[in-house]
Amino acid sequence: AQSVTQLDSQVPVFEEAPVELRCNYSSSVSVYLFWYVQYPNQGLQLLLKYLSGSTLVKGINGFEAEFNKSQTSFHLRKPSVHISDTAEYFCAVSSLHGSSNTGKLIFGQGTTLQVKP
Amino acid sequence: DVKVTQSSRYLVKRTGEKVFLECVQDMDHENMFWYRQDPGLGLRLIYFSYDVKMKEKGDIPEGYSVSREKKERFSLILESASTNQTSMYLCASSPSGQGGETQYFGPGTRLLVL
Repeated sequence: AQSVTQLDSQVPVFEEAPVELRCNYSSSVSVYLFWYVQYPNQGLQLLLKYLSGSTLVKGINGFEAEFNKSQTSFHLRKPSVHISDTAEYFCAVSSLHGSSNTGKLIFGQGTTLQVKP
Repeated sequence: DVKVTQSSRYLVKRTGEKVFLECVQDMDHENMFWYRQDPGLGLRLIYFSYDVKMKEKGDIPEGYSVSREKKERFSLILESASTNQTSMYLCASSPSGQGGETQYFGPGTRLLVL
Protein backbone atom coordinates (compact mmCIF):
# COMPACT_ATOMS: atom_id res chain seq x y z
CA ALA A 1 0.00 0.00 0.00
CA GLN A 2 1.12 3.53 -0.67
CA SER A 3 1.53 6.17 2.01
CA VAL A 4 2.86 9.70 2.37
CA THR A 5 4.52 11.23 5.42
CA GLN A 6 5.10 14.92 5.84
CA LEU A 7 7.71 15.20 8.51
CA ASP A 8 6.80 18.62 9.89
CA SER A 9 3.31 19.73 10.87
CA GLN A 10 4.36 23.38 11.18
CA VAL A 11 7.28 25.32 9.71
CA PRO A 12 7.78 28.90 10.92
CA VAL A 13 10.18 31.01 8.83
CA PHE A 14 11.03 34.65 8.41
CA GLU A 15 10.22 36.50 5.21
CA GLU A 16 12.93 36.23 2.50
CA ALA A 17 14.48 33.16 4.17
CA PRO A 18 14.72 29.84 2.31
CA VAL A 19 12.39 27.00 3.22
CA GLU A 20 12.19 23.25 2.72
CA LEU A 21 9.05 21.21 3.38
CA ARG A 22 9.80 17.53 3.66
CA CYS A 23 7.83 14.66 2.18
CA ASN A 24 8.56 10.93 2.15
CA TYR A 25 6.47 8.30 0.44
CA SER A 26 6.28 4.55 0.31
CA SER A 27 5.23 2.67 -2.76
CA SER A 28 5.99 -0.64 -4.39
CA VAL A 29 5.30 0.66 -7.88
CA SER A 30 6.21 3.65 -10.00
CA VAL A 31 4.62 6.78 -8.66
CA TYR A 32 3.42 10.17 -9.63
CA LEU A 33 4.07 12.80 -6.96
CA PHE A 34 2.31 16.09 -6.29
CA TRP A 35 2.47 19.16 -4.09
CA TYR A 36 -0.73 21.11 -3.52
CA VAL A 37 -1.19 24.38 -1.63
CA GLN A 38 -4.24 25.51 0.32
CA TYR A 39 -4.51 29.20 1.14
CA PRO A 40 -6.81 30.16 4.05
CA ASN A 41 -10.48 29.50 3.33
CA GLN A 42 -9.79 28.10 -0.12
CA GLY A 43 -9.60 24.75 -1.84
CA LEU A 44 -6.36 23.12 -2.94
CA GLN A 45 -4.45 24.12 -6.04
CA LEU A 46 -1.57 22.36 -7.74
CA LEU A 47 1.94 23.71 -7.09
CA LEU A 48 3.84 21.13 -9.11
CA LYS A 49 3.98 17.46 -9.99
CA TYR A 50 6.50 14.82 -10.97
CA LEU A 51 5.48 12.34 -13.65
CA SER A 52 8.78 11.27 -15.21
CA GLY A 53 12.03 12.66 -16.62
CA SER A 54 14.06 15.33 -14.82
CA THR A 55 14.02 14.82 -11.08
CA LEU A 56 13.96 18.57 -10.42
CA VAL A 57 10.48 19.92 -10.97
CA LYS A 58 9.65 23.61 -11.08
CA GLY A 59 6.23 24.88 -10.11
CA ILE A 60 4.28 28.06 -9.63
CA ASN A 61 5.24 30.93 -7.32
CA GLY A 62 8.96 30.06 -7.36
CA PHE A 63 8.61 26.64 -5.73
CA GLU A 64 10.54 23.57 -6.84
CA ALA A 65 10.80 19.98 -5.68
CA GLU A 66 13.27 17.18 -6.19
CA PHE A 67 12.30 13.56 -6.67
CA ASN A 68 14.78 11.24 -4.97
CA LYS A 69 13.95 7.63 -5.72
CA SER A 70 16.63 6.09 -3.49
CA GLN A 71 15.45 8.08 -0.47
CA THR A 72 11.77 7.92 -1.49
CA SER A 73 11.49 11.66 -0.94
CA PHE A 74 9.93 14.61 -2.74
CA HIS A 75 10.91 17.68 -0.73
CA LEU A 76 9.56 21.12 -1.64
CA ARG A 77 11.85 24.16 -1.61
CA LYS A 78 11.75 27.87 -2.16
CA PRO A 79 14.87 30.05 -1.94
CA SER A 80 13.10 33.15 -0.57
CA VAL A 81 9.59 33.12 0.90
CA HIS A 82 7.03 35.91 1.04
CA ILE A 83 4.27 36.63 3.53
CA SER A 84 1.81 35.53 0.84
CA ASP A 85 3.27 31.99 0.93
CA THR A 86 1.64 31.44 4.32
CA ALA A 87 -0.59 28.44 3.68
CA GLU A 88 -0.95 24.72 4.21
CA TYR A 89 1.01 22.48 1.87
CA PHE A 90 0.10 18.91 1.01
CA CYS A 91 2.27 16.25 -0.57
CA ALA A 92 0.43 13.47 -2.41
CA VAL A 93 1.15 10.31 -4.35
CA SER A 94 -1.08 8.93 -7.07
CA SER A 95 -2.09 5.36 -7.63
CA LEU A 96 -4.53 3.65 -9.94
CA HIS A 97 -7.48 2.47 -7.90
CA GLY A 98 -10.27 -0.01 -8.15
CA SER A 99 -11.74 -1.81 -11.08
CA SER A 100 -11.90 1.44 -13.04
CA ASN A 101 -8.16 2.16 -12.72
CA THR A 102 -8.95 5.72 -11.73
CA GLY A 103 -6.08 7.89 -10.55
CA LYS A 104 -6.43 8.32 -6.79
CA LEU A 105 -4.42 10.71 -4.62
CA ILE A 106 -3.10 9.69 -1.23
CA PHE A 107 -2.28 12.78 0.82
CA GLY A 108 0.15 13.47 3.60
CA GLN A 109 -1.00 15.11 6.80
CA GLY A 110 -0.11 18.61 5.62
CA THR A 111 2.51 21.18 6.66
CA THR A 112 1.53 24.68 7.74
CA LEU A 113 4.05 27.23 6.52
CA GLN A 114 3.99 30.37 8.65
CA VAL A 115 5.96 33.25 7.15
CA LYS A 116 6.75 35.98 9.63
CA PRO A 117 7.75 39.55 8.80
CA ASP B 1 -10.48 29.00 -16.52
CA VAL B 2 -11.29 25.71 -14.84
CA LYS B 3 -13.92 25.79 -12.15
CA VAL B 4 -15.28 23.48 -9.48
CA THR B 5 -18.08 24.91 -7.37
CA GLN B 6 -19.68 23.61 -4.19
CA SER B 7 -23.21 24.49 -3.19
CA SER B 8 -22.42 25.87 0.27
CA ARG B 9 -19.35 27.27 2.03
CA TYR B 10 -20.78 26.72 5.51
CA LEU B 11 -23.53 24.41 6.69
CA VAL B 12 -25.00 23.71 10.13
CA LYS B 13 -27.14 20.60 10.59
CA ARG B 14 -28.58 18.61 13.45
CA THR B 15 -27.79 15.01 14.33
CA GLY B 16 -29.95 12.62 12.33
CA GLU B 17 -30.66 15.02 9.46
CA LYS B 18 -30.10 13.98 5.86
CA VAL B 19 -27.50 16.25 4.30
CA PHE B 20 -26.77 16.88 0.63
CA LEU B 21 -23.52 18.43 -0.56
CA GLU B 22 -23.43 19.36 -4.23
CA CYS B 23 -20.45 19.78 -6.52
CA VAL B 24 -20.41 21.01 -10.11
CA GLN B 25 -17.49 21.15 -12.56
CA ASP B 26 -17.40 22.87 -15.92
CA MET B 27 -14.37 21.10 -17.42
CA ASP B 28 -16.10 18.03 -18.87
CA HIS B 29 -13.98 15.82 -16.59
CA GLU B 30 -14.73 12.12 -16.31
CA ASN B 31 -13.55 11.74 -12.70
CA MET B 32 -14.99 13.40 -9.62
CA PHE B 33 -13.99 12.94 -5.99
CA TRP B 34 -15.23 13.71 -2.49
CA TYR B 35 -12.73 14.15 0.34
CA ARG B 36 -12.98 15.14 3.94
CA GLN B 37 -10.24 17.22 5.51
CA ASP B 38 -9.48 17.08 9.23
CA PRO B 39 -6.58 18.73 11.10
CA GLY B 40 -3.56 16.46 11.31
CA LEU B 41 -5.09 13.86 9.00
CA GLY B 42 -4.79 15.58 5.64
CA LEU B 43 -7.40 14.71 3.03
CA ARG B 44 -9.10 11.34 2.99
CA LEU B 45 -11.06 10.02 0.05
CA ILE B 46 -14.70 9.20 0.73
CA TYR B 47 -15.99 8.21 -2.73
CA PHE B 48 -15.16 8.86 -6.32
CA SER B 49 -16.91 8.54 -9.65
CA TYR B 50 -15.28 7.76 -13.00
CA ASP B 51 -18.37 8.13 -15.17
CA VAL B 52 -22.05 8.99 -14.97
CA LYS B 53 -23.82 6.62 -12.58
CA MET B 54 -20.49 4.89 -11.80
CA LYS B 55 -18.92 5.14 -8.35
CA GLU B 56 -16.34 3.45 -6.17
CA LYS B 57 -15.64 3.57 -2.47
CA GLY B 58 -12.64 5.44 -1.21
CA ASP B 59 -10.92 4.98 2.12
CA ILE B 60 -13.69 6.15 4.47
CA PRO B 61 -17.10 5.55 2.83
CA GLU B 62 -19.01 4.55 5.98
CA GLY B 63 -21.94 6.84 6.68
CA TYR B 64 -21.86 8.41 3.21
CA SER B 65 -23.35 7.78 -0.20
CA VAL B 66 -22.97 9.55 -3.55
CA SER B 67 -24.91 10.23 -6.70
CA ARG B 68 -23.80 11.15 -10.19
CA GLU B 69 -26.71 11.50 -12.57
CA LYS B 70 -25.00 14.01 -14.87
CA LYS B 71 -21.36 14.27 -15.87
CA GLU B 72 -20.88 17.72 -14.37
CA ARG B 73 -22.53 17.09 -11.00
CA PHE B 74 -21.47 14.87 -8.10
CA SER B 75 -23.44 14.81 -4.85
CA LEU B 76 -22.36 13.59 -1.43
CA ILE B 77 -25.14 12.42 0.89
CA LEU B 78 -24.99 11.97 4.63
CA GLU B 79 -27.96 9.70 5.25
CA SER B 80 -28.15 10.48 8.98
CA ALA B 81 -25.66 13.11 10.06
CA SER B 82 -23.62 12.48 13.17
CA THR B 83 -21.34 14.76 15.15
CA ASN B 84 -18.26 12.85 14.00
CA GLN B 85 -19.05 13.97 10.46
CA THR B 86 -18.31 17.57 11.38
CA SER B 87 -15.52 18.40 8.97
CA MET B 88 -14.42 20.25 5.85
CA TYR B 89 -15.60 18.54 2.67
CA LEU B 90 -13.74 19.08 -0.58
CA CYS B 91 -14.84 18.10 -4.06
CA ALA B 92 -12.40 17.64 -6.93
CA SER B 93 -12.46 16.64 -10.58
CA SER B 94 -9.89 15.36 -13.06
CA PRO B 95 -9.76 14.04 -16.60
CA SER B 96 -9.33 10.31 -17.08
CA GLY B 97 -5.81 8.99 -17.70
CA GLN B 98 -2.98 6.94 -16.24
CA GLY B 99 -2.88 8.47 -12.77
CA GLY B 100 -0.77 11.58 -13.28
CA GLU B 101 -3.67 13.93 -13.94
CA THR B 102 -4.12 17.08 -11.92
CA GLN B 103 -7.15 17.19 -9.66
CA TYR B 104 -8.99 20.53 -9.51
CA PHE B 105 -10.61 21.38 -6.20
CA GLY B 106 -13.63 23.34 -5.14
CA PRO B 107 -13.48 25.84 -2.25
CA GLY B 108 -14.85 23.37 0.28
CA THR B 109 -17.92 23.12 2.51
CA ARG B 110 -17.40 23.41 6.24
CA LEU B 111 -20.08 21.25 7.88
CA LEU B 112 -20.98 21.47 11.54
CA VAL B 113 -23.27 18.77 12.93
CA LEU B 114 -24.83 19.65 16.29
